[in-house]
Amino acid sequence: DAGITQSPRYKITETGRQVTLMCHQTWSHSYMFWYRQDLGHGLRLIYYSAAADITDKGEVPDGYVVSRSKTENFPLTLESATRSQTSVYFCASSGVENSPLHFGNGTRLTVT
Amino acid sequence: GQNIDQPTEMTATEGAIVQINCTYQTSGFNGLFWYQQHAGEAPTFLSYNVLDGLEEKGRFSSFLSRSKGYSYLLLKELQMKDSASYLCAVMDSNYQLIWGAGTKLIIKP
Repeated sequence: DAGITQSPRYKITETGRQVTLMCHQTWSHSYMFWYRQDLGHGLRLIYYSAAADITDKGEVPDGYVVSRSKTENFPLTLESATRSQTSVYFCASSGVENSPLHFGNGTRLTVT
Repeated sequence: GQNIDQPTEMTATEGAIVQINCTYQTSGFNGLFWYQQHAGEAPTFLSYNVLDGLEEKGRFSSFLSRSKGYSYLLLKELQMKDSASYLCAVMDSNYQLIWGAGTKLIIKP
């Protein structure tokens, strides 16, 4: 099916573990984004990508790593998870710079 | 700095009209977006304004005044399914989206 999918939907991990959140879109959108959403905050941008092999830091990049070897995939890795990274993570994509974002269903990550 | 302000929570009655305001201060302006987010779900796009004025889309309308740094989302004939958070986001001169914290709208029968 066309769309943007994230996996897993839920993840519990321990402090210090590495965890990767997956994001896949089938529209061939150029732009992809990773956000985190916490109570009391708006969506905060972690990393974004304008095209394959091009990534840039957002507002809160520390502790995260991304890659984009293929247009359709944009995985987010927490190298050594901390409790402060407990959050809901949304991946999004858009075709051009000022077009609306299409969001995945989110990954609820708990770091214990 | 850049910021978006919107009320934290609003309550309205089924069948009524509600207006959710958003004020912004950003470095440049390349459009304003409204998204709806039901609890536990992803945000979904509602409207986009780049020129001053009112954009109407069914029961939902969005207004923009660039000179005042102000927008509102107007919801008419409220239904219980409109209970959700409404997110205002502004695209700045670098095409970066600045997000408000969202307005939680509670609809009462």
